[in-house]
Amino acid sequence: GAVVSQHPSRVICKSGTSVKIECRSLDFQATTMFWYRQFPKQSLMLMATSNEGSKATYEQGVEKDKFLINHASLTLSTLTVTSAHPEDSSFYICSAREWGTGAGQPQHFGDGTRLSIL
Amino acid sequence: SQQGEEDPQALSIQEGENATMNCSYKTSINNLQWYRQNSGRGLVHLILIRSNEREKHSGRLRVTLDTSKKSSSLLITASRAADTASYFCATHNQAGTALIFGKGTTLSVSS
Repeated sequence: GAVVSQHPSRVICKSGTSVKIECRSLDFQATTMFWYRQFPKQSLMLMATSNEGSKATYEQGVEKDKFLINHASLTLSTLTVTSAHPEDSSFYICSAREWGTGAGQPQHFGDGTRLSIL
Repeated sequence: SQQGEEDPQALSIQEGENATMNCSYKTSINNLQWYRQNSGRGLVHLILIRSNEREKHSGRLRVTLDTSKKSSSLLITASRAADTASYFCATHNQAGTALIFGKGTTLSVSS
C-alpha cells in the first residue's frame, strides 16, 4: 500500500530554533500534501495544503511566515517551524493524496513528528 | 475548523464486546471516512462510505450513514485489545481537497 514517511519522529530543541519536518511519499506521487497539528487528546487541525510547484494554502489563523511549507517535488513536502517557541510544541502530522485520485480516495498519513520546544 | 462531533469521547469495553461510535457533521458531503490512530502515531484509513450508501461492511467494521441527520456510526464487533485506539470520522472541506476531522472517540478494550 501507499506509504508516507515523516521525519524526524521526535524533536526536542531550544526556544528560538527553526525546525524542519519532512514528509515523503515513498511509492507514489503526490501533487497535494496536507499538514495537520494535534494537541494532546484532541483532534487533528488542518494547518495548510501543500501544492507541488506552487504556494501552500494556509488555513485561517495559521501564520504562513511562522510555518513555512515547501513542496518542491512530487514526493516531498517540508514544514519549517521558524523561531519555535514552547507554544509551538505539538504533534505535527502530514498526509498525502496520490496523484490522479480525487476526494473519493483515502489519504495516506505519516507517523507524525512530536515537537517539544524547551 | 472541525467538521463535527463524535460521541462518546471515550469508551471502555471488555474484549469480545461491540463498540459503537457516532459522528455528526455539518455540511453536505460526497463521502465520509473513518480513520484510526494508535497512540502517538499517524492515522490509518479504515473505511469510506459514499453519500448514496447507507451501510458498508469491512471485516469486523460496520459503518452507517444517515445524510438526513448528517450522522454516521462505526461499529466494531467482537472487539479485541488491539482495537484500543482513537477513532476519527472525516469529511472534506469546502474546496473538496483536505480532510476535516471530528473530535474523535478514544476506545479502550481490556482483556
